[in-house]
Amino acid sequence: GNSVTQMEGPVTLSEEAFLTINCTYTATGYPSLFWYVQYPGEGLQLLLKATKADDKGSNKGFEATYRKETTSFHLEKGSVQVSDSAVYFCALSSSGTSYGKLTFGQGTILTVHP
Amino acid sequence: GAVVSQHPSRVICKSGTSVKIECRSLDFQATTMFWYRQFPKQSLMLMATSNEGSKATYEQGVEKDKFLINHASLTLSTLTVTSAHPEDSSFYICSARDTGGSGANVLTFGAGSRLTVL
Repeated sequence: GNSVTQMEGPVTLSEEAFLTINCTYTATGYPSLFWYVQYPGEGLQLLLKATKADDKGSNKGFEATYRKETTSFHLEKGSVQVSDSAVYFCALSSSGTSYGKLTFGQGTILTVHP
Repeated sequence: GAVVSQHPSRVICKSGTSVKIECRSLDFQATTMFWYRQFPKQSLMLMATSNEGSKATYEQGVEKDKFLINHASLTLSTLTVTSAHPEDSSFYICSARDTGGSGANVLTFGAGSRLTVL
């Protein structure tokens, strides 16, 4: 079956530090890959996505590249801000399955200090 | 942008009672909604796919008689936890896909409902 593994948190950084949150996956076929962010008290929001190998998703300074050879989709940001503090989820949606059925990683809590 | 509202955001109930959670798409129609459950410090687990006008499709291991799902309109799906017990305490999250949307695999999530069963 499908699975997503994220690096365990929590991750604590100082403002302007470089961020990497690792994500690897197992899936059949050619899944689409996503990063979702959950701010305190809010629902999950799509941060970025990539639908095929070598695609790079980017949004709000965050980037992730779909690496089929390493089955990875690591999230990076060059300079984090306090407002980036949230829980980040890596997820996949398999091709050929019901649209919208997502398999999530366990989530990584990010805390950014001033 | 698309908004999904969940109500209530928090509910506390006694063991043995039933609790209903609503998921509404506020500015779009959704033929399909999804219900997830999130345990503390764990990932979201898909419970079921809610289909407007037809029966919900449950994931393996999810008791359909325990978690009743109704999707009576294009903007509303409800999850009823029947005869709730403390082990049902969890964070329940719904998501919906805009029927008229063109984006691939883009879902809108509700803010979640935290259920505590005493």
